[in-house]
Order: sequence, then structure tokens, then C-alpha cells
Amino acid sequence: DAMVIQNPRYQVTQFGKPVTLSCSQTLNHNVMYWYQQKSSQAPKLLFHYYDKDFNNEADTPDNFQSRRPNTSFCFLDIRSPGLGDAAMYLCATSRDTGGLAFDEQFFGPGTRLTVL
Amino acid sequence: RKEVEQDPGPFNVPEGATVAFNCTYSNSASQSFFWYRQDCRKEPKLLMSVYSSGNEDGRFTAQLNRASQYISLLIRDSKLSDSATYLCVVNTGGFKTIFGAGTRLFVKA
Repeated sequence: DAMVIQNPRYQVTQFGKPVTLSCSQTLNHNVMYWYQQKSSQAPKLLFHYYDKDFNNEADTPDNFQSRRPNTSFCFLDIRSPGLGDAAMYLCATSRDTGGLAFDEQFFGPGTRLTVL
Repeated sequence: RKEVEQDPGPFNVPEGATVAFNCTYSNSASQSFFWYRQDCRKEPKLLMSVYSSGNEDGRFTAQLNRASQYISLLIRDSKLSDSATYLCVVNTGGFKTIFGAGTRLFVKA
């Protein structure tokens, strides 16, 4: 089945120790997103890629970076995690409808990040 | 004011009940609207898109009111398996989407 895969599912890191979260997709969608979701809050868009074009949200801290080496893979790098970065990180994909209505997003299962 | 607002609930209803959720959005240029369902500690999954004319999928009915800038979700004949958080999602243009914080629903036997 076509899907969005995230690794690892659970990640524990120490305060200030860089961490990388991984996302891959078999849907061949050209748009990929990273969201941060804290407990009982809405998923918050950090950034998205349209193909290789990177689009950062204005309020995404510089501590968060992303890479998309090819269509299938996208990485979230947290350079110096703080206690406030503990959250679920969700990767999602969608296809470009060529100017038609925005299409649905397909989410991976998420990576739950704990910062000690 | 939040860009997308939902009543957080929780809504506690018995099986078989009808329940309705509303969601308001602030950006009048918003173009596409969705309801997603999120189970505890799981990822959001699309429940249904919301079309201008309103649309129905089995027990679920979604409505859009552009003039008042809100969307609604109606669930008829609630099942225990409907217990989840329902997220209102608004596309404000391009690939930018805003999620509401969700409305929690508990369906009791």
C-alpha cells in the first residue's frame, strides 16, 4: 500500500543534542510537510516543500531545519532541542492539483520526541 | 483571534445520538476546507472534504457557510467507534493549511 512512513516512532534526546527525524513516502506526491503537534493542540505547520522548493513558515524557529534530497524522502533537523520542543512531529504529503482545489494531506504516524 | 477556531468540547453523547460541531475561520480568502479525525496518539486522517454545496458521506454531513465563515460537521446515529478528536482544516491558499485545535467526542454505550 502506498503510504507515508516516519522513523523513528519514538525519539529521546538530550537538551541541546541535535536530532534528525525521517519521513519517506511511496505516494509520489510532490508536496511534503512537517507539522509539530503538542498535547491537546492543533498541528502547527513548520514548513513544506514543493518539489525541491522550500517554504518556511514565518514563525518557525531557526532551530528547525529541513532537507529533501529526493521526492521520496524528507528530514527534519532540530539543531539544539529545548524542553519546549518535546512534541509529536507529523510528516504529511499531498499532490499538486495544478491550480485546482487543494487536495487532502496524507499523514505519517508521527515521531514522538522527548527531550531530557 | 485564532485563524481557525473550534469548540474543544468534550462532547459526551450516548450511542445513537446526533452531534454537531462548528468551526469558524478568519481568512475570507480561504479556499478549501476539510474535516480530519484524529484518534488518541495517532495521526490525523481525512474524514471528508467540505464543498460549497454541502456534502454527505453515510452518517456524516458537512456544510460550508462562506458568508459567515464557518463549517460544520453533523454525525448521525453515533457509534462508539466515532469517539475521537475532530479537526477542522482550512487551506488559505497555495499549500498553507491551518488546523483547528480539535473537538473531542466521546460516545458512550
